[in-house]
Amino acid sequence: EDQVTQSPEALRLQEGESSSLNCSYTVSGLRGLFWYRQDPGKGPEFLFTLYSAGEEKEKERLKATLTKKESFLHITAPKPEDSATYLCAVQAARGGSQGNLIFGKGTKLSVKP
Amino acid sequence: GAVVSQHPSRVICKSGTSVKIECRSLDFQATTMFWYRQFPKQSLMLMATSNEGSKATYEQGVEKDKFLINHASLTLSTLTVTSAHPEDSSFYICSARDGDTEAFFGQGTRLTVV
Repeated sequence: EDQVTQSPEALRLQEGESSSLNCSYTVSGLRGLFWYRQDPGKGPEFLFTLYSAGEEKEKERLKATLTKKESFLHITAPKPEDSATYLCAVQAARGGSQGNLIFGKGTKLSVKP
Repeated sequence: GAVVSQHPSRVICKSGTSVKIECRSLDFQATTMFWYRQFPKQSLMLMATSNEGSKATYEQGVEKDKFLINHASLTLSTLTVTSAHPEDSSFYICSARDGDTEAFFGQGTRLTVV
């Protein structure tokens, strides 16, 4: 069964304290791994798509990496405005053309000034 | 990134009434739209997938007669919660994609049934 597990469930950082969020997955053929940011009461905001092991993408203080079993979202020198829930999702390559995403439960990040 | 507009953002309705939620892709054609439900501190749960001009595909356990989905054009999908009850209260989110690209999400709709 395709599954996505994110850790930790919650993470509290001081402003400027770098850290990483983990997304472990099991899927029958990975079509793509996606990172989203979700603020309270809002829909997810797209951050990155990763397609193959070894791929890396960066955006401002965020950097996403991918291996065959997991992805990391590295946050360098975070600011309070980076506080949000970060969601990881995978799209399986097997069968069909629906392309629906399988989401993890998210990591709630709080950055204190 | 592409913009997906979802309306309304909040709705309160009486038990037994129906509520319609709209999802529009504003700057691209959405060949596929997805509807999710999210409970507090939980992951997004896929309810159904719809392709323009065809019937929606519902996930196991989702009542298609209760959650009516229409995807009449390449820019609009609607979710109608029929005969709503308090247990239907939740956060509903749509997403849209054009072909095999990444999916973009609407702002979500907080439904409260009283």
